Order: sequence, then C-alpha cells, then structure tokens
Amino acid sequence: NAGVTQTPKFQVLKTGQSMTLQCAQDMNHNSMYWYRQDPGMGLRLIYYSASEGTTDKGEVPNGYNVSRLNKREFSLRLESAAPSQTSVYFCASGGVDSNQPQHFGDGTRLSIL
Amino acid sequence: GENVEQHPSTLSVQEGDSAVIKCTYSDSASNYFPWYKQELGKGPQLIIDIRSNVGEKKDQRIAVTLNKTAKHFSLHITETQPEDSAVYFCAASKPGRRALTFGSGTRLQVQP
Repeated sequence: NAGVTQTPKFQVLKTGQSMTLQCAQDMNHNSMYWYRQDPGMGLRLIYYSASEGTTDKGEVPNGYNVSRLNKREFSLRLESAAPSQTSVYFCASGGVDSNQPQHFGDGTRLSIL
Repeated sequence: GENVEQHPSTLSVQEGDSAVIKCTYSDSASNYFPWYKQELGKGPQLIIDIRSNVGEKKDQRIAVTLNKTAKHFSLHITETQPEDSAVYFCAASKPGRRALTFGSGTRLQVQP
C-alpha cells in the first residue's frame, strides 16, 4: 500500500521556468492538499481539493495553479518559477474535511536559482 | 484565522527521560488536534490525534492532553528512545475548515 506518492523527489529550476509536481493517492480519499514547508514556519497550505473537480485557494496560493485530474491525482504547477518558491512541497490526502486524519507524501525538494 | 504556537523549538533529553511539547491555539471553535512526527527526508507522519470531547488520549509511550479552557494541548513522550529523535508538529482544525493549521515544529533530540 503506497499511500501518497509524489514525483519528482528533487528538482532544480532556473528562474522563469515552469514545472508540474505530481501527486497520487491510493486510499480513496476525497480531499487532497498541497503544502509548502519552509524552515521555522511549519507547513502552509497552498491549495486544496475537497473532491474531484473542485479546487480552492489556501493560505499562500500566489504563483501556483492546481489540477484535480481525478480522485487519485492532484498536481501543482509553477508557471514561472521564482527563487521565493524554493521550498519542500508536500501533498496530503484525507477524509471529507480536515477533521479527518491527513496522510502525507515524502515531499518534493525544489530549488529555484 | 487560526494561529497555532508551538514551544519549544528545540528540545534535548537523555534517553529514558520524558519529553513534553506544548501548543496553543487561537480559535475556540477548533476541535481536532493531530500531532505529526517528521523524520529527515520524509513527510510528516500522524502519531496521535485528539478531539475536543476528550481531555487525554494515550498510545503506548505517547499521550496528548487538551485544555479547552486555556486553548492549549500538549504531547508527552515517556521513556524516550533515540528513534524518537525527529521534528514534531502540532496542528489544529475545526469543522468545515478544509485545512490544518500547523505549529512551527519542535526538533527533539534524544541523547543515548
């Protein structure tokens, strides 16, 4: 049982390049989330999807777009990467709302030069 | 919005000692409080959670206590072992809110 799988694990981009981070879950969860983790700041929500076909902004959505491709997959896209987006990105899936346990992938470490 | 503060930011204990990490939250409507453990290079892993209708919950060496009046909750780890060394995050949420609000994390180091 893989749980939440994120690809790639590492990536280096140049400023202005675009990239899509992929996430897939096999736990049949309705809700999926994208967080970023920066030193000393915990995890901050970028976007979430309560169900297939719906997406909503979180705390720090600027510079990102998302797609809920189907129930299993939720991707995060950086259209024009900036150094401020250097971070570790985590995808999570959970129950109907955040009062159900969330399960995290192992993250994508993204550096933007 | 919700704000979660976590203390201390770093904690060093001797193997076998107890460790306590404390969090406070701002939104009195919050009713779900999970704790996550994050090892180096890995994603956060849920280790225990508590809901507001319960004051304490235990799972082997780990316990969480909740004081709704004071709006704080704590993680207690007894008989610490080197493999408990990790970063621990608390979080809070309430019904209808789609996401967790995380504390800033505590780096626990258990010295052999």
